[in-house]
Amino acid sequence: KNEVEQSPQNLTAQEGEFITINCSYSVGISALHWLQQHPGGGIVSLFMLSSGKKKHGRLIATINIQEKHSSLHITASHPRDSAVYICAVEGYGGSQGNLIFGKGTKLSVKP
Amino acid sequence: DTGVSQDPRHKITKRGQNVTFRCDPISEHNRLYWYRQTLGQGPEFLTYFQNEAQLEKSRLLSDRFSAERPKGSFSTLEIQRTEQGDSAMYLCASSLGQASGEKLFFGSGTQLSVL
Repeated sequence: KNEVEQSPQNLTAQEGEFITINCSYSVGISALHWLQQHPGGGIVSLFMLSSGKKKHGRLIATINIQEKHSSLHITASHPRDSAVYICAVEGYGGSQGNLIFGKGTKLSVKP
Repeated sequence: DTGVSQDPRHKITKRGQNVTFRCDPISEHNRLYWYRQTLGQGPEFLTYFQNEAQLEKSRLLSDRFSAERPKGSFSTLEIQRTEQGDSAMYLCASSLGQASGEKLFFGSGTQLSVL
């Protein structure tokens, strides 16, 4: 069993829909990252959080440390949101940057 | 462009050859990281530097792999005697290096194909 599990693996949505991507992890963590990867490989960091909730534009990330679970929400989805979304955790006591990555959720938003 | 840059973007090589990739981090960033990503998988940590010091190496980094950051600025990742299993996207990232849990800035990666 992977230490970081994401669901769903693939997600197709219609423009305007509310989207939720889930991330569960099995290790103690000091921080969790949500990343966005577009075709061609470039990765953009969306959020880094260790507790609670963060919001940036149409994106919201939440984390529940006790349940070892995080969610990424996209409100009013748009075709330009189509990408792979990756959850990654920094293990507690581990070095920063030694991230454990999920396999990613491939999101496709149709116009 | 003041982001993280990687060179080359693509590299095709024959099995057994040596290859070297370069990463230029954001100029004021002290920490630099290398990751590897195969098709359909999430990235995997390889190694990281704090300034010129290599502080951690993954067990994935076999003896054929070596990374350097000689002046604490750019870094190189060399793979000797490449194997087909080395085919992957090699990603570099950097961060300020002032605290734990910092935002990472990624380069576009170097796609390696070993024939």
